[in-house]
Formats: sequence, structure tokens, C-alpha cells
Amino acid sequence: QKEVEQNSGPLSVPEGAIASLNCTYSDRGSQSFFWYRQYSGKSPELIMSIYSNGDKEDGRFTAQLNKASQYVSLLIRDSQPSDSATYLCAVTDRPGTYKYIFGTGTRLKVLA
Amino acid sequence: GAVVSQHPSWVICKSGTSVKIECRSLDFQATTMFWYRQFPKQSLMLMATSNEGSKATYEQGVEKDKFLINHASLTLSTLTVTSAHPEDSSFYICSALTAMKAFFGQGTRLTVV
Repeated sequence: QKEVEQNSGPLSVPEGAIASLNCTYSDRGSQSFFWYRQYSGKSPELIMSIYSNGDKEDGRFTAQLNKASQYVSLLIRDSQPSDSATYLCAVTDRPGTYKYIFGTGTRLKVLA
Repeated sequence: GAVVSQHPSWVICKSGTSVKIECRSLDFQATTMFWYRQFPKQSLMLMATSNEGSKATYEQGVEKDKFLINHASLTLSTLTVTSAHPEDSSFYICSALTAMKAFFGQGTRLTVV
């Protein structure tokens, strides 16, 4: 059973701090990795995608991938109260199918 | 980003009736769409993969006769929950792929009473 693990949280950080969200996955053959943000009662919206080892930065967001450790993380700099949401890690099932396996999500609270 | 429109956003139906949910890709063509279900405080669980012009592929444990999927065009997939029961009450979300990324519809909150 392929799994994607996340700490459910809540992770509380003060406004302006860096929030660090982590995700591990069980299938070494996973190819693509995604972070989605989901506000309560809404559908997920794509924040970042990462496909190769290392860091990828987009504005206040940085995704980090380490395939050897089967670990992907998301850093949010200068956290804002509007960043408070559940962050879902998603991993593709296998090459060519684009079937996503989602983690259970980490709830982030940014305290004003 | 790409736009995926899902309709209706919420629906209440009586037990035993059927409900149809539509998922449209508005600015791109999607040969593959996915249907998910999400219960409160849980993650998205993939129900089925919808392929344009062919039968849907259902995940283990999902009843294909209960959750009918039709992907008749490159921009539209529909999910029909047949003979709905209270335990089918959930948040149903579709997604469509473009440029190797999945974009989600707004979701449909189904309540069966």
C-alpha cells in the first residue's frame, strides 16, 4: 500500500515566522510531488510542484525534495494569517498515470 | 492557472434518489479527469479515473454501479451518485490534468437526508 504521511498538526507559528511542513512517502518510484493548500470547505489549490532533488522557490514558498530519504517539505516564509489552512502533500502513483496519492494534510495556524 | 468548474457546489437530496455532478475544464482539454471524495478532517480519497471516450477506472472498494462516471467530451466529466444514502454524504471533488499538474474543481457538498 503506497502511503504519503504528514503530521496532522495543528502547527502554530507566529505571524512573520517561517512555517515548515513535512511529508514522507513510501514508494521509491514516485516521480512528481505537489503541495496543495486547502481552506476549510473549499477544494485544494496548487501551490508548488517539484520533480527533482533540491530546492524550488516561488515567492514566499520553497519546496524541498530529497528522493533518497523519500522526503518532501514546504517552507513558508513571512507567514501570514491568510496562510492558515490545511496543506496537502501529493505524490504521483507511477510514471505516466498522473494518479495522485494525497497525505492527510497538516493544519497550519498563523497567529496574528 | 487552468480553470476547472464543478457544479453544483452543494446539493441536498432525499435518500434513494440520484444526483449528478458535473466537472468541466474551461480553458483546456482534459483527456483524463479524476473524482475524489473527502470526509470531514480526512484527506482526498481517489474514487475513479475518468478517461474521455472510454470506461472509467474505479479504485478498489468503490462501487462502479453506484457511482456512474461519464466522460463524453474532452471538457466534461459527470459523476452520478445513484440511489444515494446518508452514508454517501461527503465532499466530492473533481480534478483535471494539464501540463502534468492537477487542477481541482470547487467541490460539491452532497447531503443525503
